[in-house]
Amino acid sequence: QKEVEQNSGPLSVPEGAIASLNCTYSDRVSQSFFWYRQYSGKSPELIMSIYSNGDKEDGRFTAQLNKASQYVSLLIRDSQPSDSATYLCAVFKASNTGKLIFGQGTTLQVKP
Amino acid sequence: KAGVTQTPRYLIKTRGQQVTLSCSPISGHRSVSWYQQTPGQGLQFLFEYFSETQRNKGNFPGRFSGRQFSNSRSEMNVSTLELGDSALYLCASSLPGTSGISEQFFGPGTRLTVL
Repeated sequence: QKEVEQNSGPLSVPEGAIASLNCTYSDRVSQSFFWYRQYSGKSPELIMSIYSNGDKEDGRFTAQLNKASQYVSLLIRDSQPSDSATYLCAVFKASNTGKLIFGQGTTLQVKP
Repeated sequence: KAGVTQTPRYLIKTRGQQVTLSCSPISGHRSVSWYQQTPGQGLQFLFEYFSETQRNKGNFPGRFSGRQFSNSRSEMNVSTLELGDSALYLCASSLPGTSGISEQFFGPGTRLTVL
């Protein structure tokens, strides 16, 4: 079992719709959770971080964390073609200094 | 504030050679982590440096090494290159984390091709 799992997709949504990206993790002691966006040929860009249960909103992005279910998600409202990218979920444990554990990423396609 | 910079951006080497990659973190950031990204394995952690000390290391052979200087700049070295070392090498900088928080910001990466 991989430590961080994501559906590789592609997830295809029409422009203006809500895109829902999901991630599960296996280690209960995981403390911090991050979503990165990576355009083809570019490096990952941090878009959201979440540390406690519940929702965290930033513009069109909402991250949701449920530690009991070991589940973290990213919602993108009013999806735009420019949101088309690979979204990487990453998990951090304090016992593993400096190391983010990444999922394989979900490819999102937003169709005009 | 300037972001993370990495040099060179592209490298082509042949098997058996060695390579050194450089990373300058965001001003004020003292932790630098290195990752290898390949299509098959995704993003894999190589090592992390803080205050010139390696604090954590991933599951890579000893051919992969690194160091950090007093100004927080970091280098990684790969000796005796193999074809499988072809990858995007990314460094990420962060402030010293507290309570497990460690937002990492990535540089543009170095694309290494081994022929």
